[in-house]
Amino acid sequence: EAQVTQNPRYLITVTGKKLTVTCSQNMNHEYMSWYRQDPGLGLRQIYYSMNVEVTDKGDVPEGYKVSRKEKRNFPLILESPSPNQTSLYFCASIRQGKQYFGPGTRLTVT
Amino acid sequence: SQQGEEDPQALSIQEGENATMNCSYKTSINNLQWYRQNSGRGLVHLILIRSNEREKHSGRLRVTLDTSKKSSSLLITASRAADTASYFCATDPTGANNLFFGTGTRLTVIP
Repeated sequence: EAQVTQNPRYLITVTGKKLTVTCSQNMNHEYMSWYRQDPGLGLRQIYYSMNVEVTDKGDVPEGYKVSRKEKRNFPLILESPSPNQTSLYFCASIRQGKQYFGPGTRLTVT
Repeated sequence: SQQGEEDPQALSIQEGENATMNCSYKTSINNLQWYRQNSGRGLVHLILIRSNEREKHSGRLRVTLDTSKKSSSLLITASRAADTASYFCATDPTGANNLFFGTGTRLTVIP
């Protein structure tokens, strides 16, 4: 089954404790993206990757890092999380313009 | 901002009625897409319409695009309770897959 998976689905952490949210897709898509969703703000793009080893900033990249060492995986790294990064995060892979979203990761930073 | 804006923010209708949601945007686009999101879940792609297209259909969905007015509409005909969800428009200015999402329309279909 074609899908995008994210882990963990829920995470509560403390300020400053590094964390990684994994994203994996089995559709062999070159293009992947990370979004955060906040009430009243819709979805905003954090980072995207056009292919292995090719990444670029989206609208709200501050406080985040990504890597793309292999086509199927696109992890999102928060080196020093802060409370304003409490949000719902979505990974997506893209083909022919259509975005296929993962189930989301709800992150709370206290 | 390159985000689209949906209107209305919330819509409540009876089952069987049609639902119309509108999206306005500010910059030129390569394509515009509509997505659906059930509460707290991932978004699901519904329709992509390119800037040179005016109308597209998919099942009970009809999307129109007016690039002169920088607006799009999503019509869901014969709505069902299962259509209850949030609907988002997203613009792709250049065709480079960088989407800018609106804040969504929350649709409630009452059985």
